[in-house]
Amino acid sequence: NAGVTQTPKFRILKIGQSMTLQCAQDMNHNYMYWYRQDPGMGLKLIYYSVGAGITDKGEVPNGYNVSRSTTEDFPLRLELAAPSQTSVYFCASSIAGGRNEQFFGPGTRLTVL
Amino acid sequence: SQELEQSPQSLIVQEGKNLTINCTSSKTLYGLYWYKQKYGEGLIFLMMLQKGGEEKSHEKITAKLDEKKQQSSLHITASQPSHAGIYLCGAEKTSYDKVIFGPGTSLSVIP
Repeated sequence: NAGVTQTPKFRILKIGQSMTLQCAQDMNHNYMYWYRQDPGMGLKLIYYSVGAGITDKGEVPNGYNVSRSTTEDFPLRLELAAPSQTSVYFCASSIAGGRNEQFFGPGTRLTVL
Repeated sequence: SQELEQSPQSLIVQEGKNLTINCTSSKTLYGLYWYKQKYGEGLIFLMMLQKGGEEKSHEKITAKLDEKKQQSSLHITASQPSHAGIYLCGAEKTSYDKVIFGPGTSLSVIP
């Protein structure tokens, strides 16, 4: 099992550009999450999904969009990138919600200039 | 809204020393999680506590959740360079809800 994979590992965007961060898991997990990590701030939940076709906002959803058309994939879309979106983005998955371990991908480091 | 605080923010210890990291909440902690993050990598699950007074151990790492369920501590015995990284606590906002994370504690272990 590859676990949770993320692409790309690094990306530099110009202000106003758009991009999609890819996330895939091969563990047949129902729940998937997107977090951003800023220095000294821990992880902030952007969006999450409890199953294919179902998504919901987390703590910091503004400027992002997600879709979940399959159990395996959970892409994160950035529209009109802004410097405030410079961060490290982590995708995670879990078999179910509370009281279950989350499995994390290696992260995508995004810089917006 | 619930926030988690961690102390200390960073820690440098000599190899072989013991250390403790704390995670504190102003509200009751439901499902308290500890994760470790190696620099530049994703998070790895260490353990989860849910009952007041509960204590779990894995190798040289022990985590406790206090009786009032508002504070958890992570204790490392005889630290090794492999213990270096960022330790994050996470807790469910309400029982069986989404997890919020603390800011993390950066640990360096000097050989």
